[in-house]
Amino acid sequence: RKEVEQDPGPFNVPEGATVAFNCTYSNSASQSFFWYRQDCRKEPKLLMSVYSSGNEDGRFTAQLNRASQYISLLIRDSKLSDSATYLCVRGGGNKLTFGTGTQLKVEL
Amino acid sequence: DAGITQSPRYKITETGRQVTLMCHQTWSHSYMFWYRQDLGHGLRLIYYSAAADITDKGEVPDGYVVSRSKTENFPLTLESATRSQTSVYFCASSPTDVGQPQHFGDGTRLSIL
Repeated sequence: RKEVEQDPGPFNVPEGATVAFNCTYSNSASQSFFWYRQDCRKEPKLLMSVYSSGNEDGRFTAQLNRASQYISLLIRDSKLSDSATYLCVRGGGNKLTFGTGTQLKVEL
Repeated sequence: DAGITQSPRYKITETGRQVTLMCHQTWSHSYMFWYRQDLGHGLRLIYYSAAADITDKGEVPDGYVVSRSKTENFPLTLESATRSQTSVYFCASSPTDVGQPQHFGDGTRLSIL
């Protein structure tokens, strides 16, 4: 089993829709979690950190469920500019482990 | 605000050649990292460095060499390039800890023929 697993998608959604991604991890000792965004052929950029209590940043909400070992990212009111690949990232064991990403395509 | 820069952006070379990818950061971050990104594998850590003159292996270090004589530079060398090392290489840095958010350079697209 991969340390971090994501549904590769693509998720094709209309503009204005709400979309959610889940990510599961296998190491219960994981200490920190993040969501990164990566545009085609560009570098990954930090979208948000994920805290145990859940956190929100504008249209984006991240949640962590340690008991079930998954994290989620919810995007409300999707914009065309949200089209990208979203990487789930786990920190722990002296490294960051990246998922292979979930592709989102927001359409008119 | 230059941040973290990589050079070259694109490189084509032949098998057996030595190739060096450069990474420079202006933030004075302690930690620097090299990743490769391939389809189906996501980002995989090659080497990282906690400070000048301190380096350690990541997940896929074979065939690569790093050095860090100055805090701001972290070059990655492929001593004898192989086709399997064709990839996109990203350098990243972090101020405090390996498990904290990292900031990435633009990447180097390396093709080995």
